[in-house]
Amino acid sequence: DSGVTQTPKHLITATGQRVTLRCSPRSGDLSVYWYQQSLDQGLQFLIQYYNGEERAKGNILERFSAQQFPDLHSELNLSSLELGDSALYFCASSYSYNEQFFGPGTRLTVL
Amino acid sequence: TQLLEQSPQFLSIQEGENLTVYCNSSSVFSSLQWYRQEPGEGPVLLVTVVTGGEVKKLKRLTFQFGDARKDSSLHITAAQPGDTGLYLCAGDMDSNYQLIWGAGTKLIIKP
Repeated sequence: DSGVTQTPKHLITATGQRVTLRCSPRSGDLSVYWYQQSLDQGLQFLIQYYNGEERAKGNILERFSAQQFPDLHSELNLSSLELGDSALYFCASSYSYNEQFFGPGTRLTVL
Repeated sequence: TQLLEQSPQFLSIQEGENLTVYCNSSSVFSSLQWYRQEPGEGPVLLVTVVTGGEVKKLKRLTFQFGDARKDSSLHITAAQPGDTGLYLCAGDMDSNYQLIWGAGTKLIIKP
């Protein structure tokens, strides 16, 4: 158990819909990272927050947004969903950015 | 542009054999991490190497950081079915707040 929690574990929705994925980091970690992993692919970095502020942005679509709240939990919002957005979405947290601890992931299926 | 190249992309061997996977770059990293990911789960940090030439051992796994801190290798001795998974390397460049990820090596150990 990494100490990072993600909800929900599974999410099935339809094209055009909007969903919110939630992540609670390990106690004491200020950084939260979001990643997307499509079937049999590597990790695609989406975005990083540090202590409530956006710190780094990767290949995140404009339809996607995220935020980190004062209690350090983070949410990833995905809107106008397309079939190609079906993937595993991982949250990771770290105290320092060079060692990351991953949650169990949310499997999103867009039908 | 893939800053970290992992090879091979896929490896399937028999239990008891030895293997090495590689993580190469033309860029210098201040540290490099190796993660293992099992299907449907989040990556788990195995090791961090920091010093050029550093060798770390984790039971049957031996990790080495290149002298110039541009590459790394993971050697597994007497592989077991429990070693099956996706092995990811990730590099830390001081100028970024995010890790640079390789695409991964998918390893299957057959009993």
